[in-house]
Amino acid sequence: SQTIHQWPATLVQPVGSPLSLECTVEGTSNPNLYWYRQAAGRGLQLLFYSVGIGQISSEVPQNLSASRPQDRQFILSSKKLLLSDSGFYLCAWSVQGFYGYTFGSGTRLTVV
Amino acid sequence: KQEVTQIPAALSVPEGENLVLNCSFTDSAIYNLQWFRQDPGKGLTSLLLIQSSQREQTSGRLNASLDKSSGRSTLYIAASQPGDSATYLCAVRAGGNQFYFGTGTSLTVIP
Repeated sequence: SQTIHQWPATLVQPVGSPLSLECTVEGTSNPNLYWYRQAAGRGLQLLFYSVGIGQISSEVPQNLSASRPQDRQFILSSKKLLLSDSGFYLCAWSVQGFYGYTFGSGTRLTVV
Repeated sequence: KQEVTQIPAALSVPEGENLVLNCSFTDSAIYNLQWFRQDPGKGLTSLLLIQSSQREQTSGRLNASLDKSSGRSTLYIAASQPGDSATYLCAVRAGGNQFYFGTGTSLTVIP
């Protein structure tokens, strides 16, 4: 069966520090991968999605970047965190066609 | 661009009551619609996935319907329990790889 792993679960980072969040999927090949952010009291905002290794689409201009070094690995990064980067980050996967999403358990990021 | 709306934003009901959550979308050209549950501080758990060719899906006490032509879906929860308290989100899959989310309905079931 397919599983998705996301870590760390919580992270407290100072302003200006770098960030690396990792997401991996097991049990499927060539998934579509997504990074979402959920700010407090707000809806889900799509940040990046990827349909294959090295293929990244960005939905909004921001202080973050994403990479997909392997088929089932998706990484969210920042060189210098801002206070506004605080939020709940969710990774998800899907496949082409008439399928839905499966989400990871999320990372709570607090920038102080 | 597809817009997804969920009304009400919050709902409080006594235990045992049947309830309906609403989701509407502006573009009927969808692949499917998915209902999720999110507990505080947790990820999203998929509840039901309805394909565009289907009218409804059922899982236990949950029933989701889809009326693509009118751009509406409902999630029916029978005999609500305190454990059903959570935020419920709907998401529409449009063409390609795009999913569009509503802002959710926060449900509280009072014992």
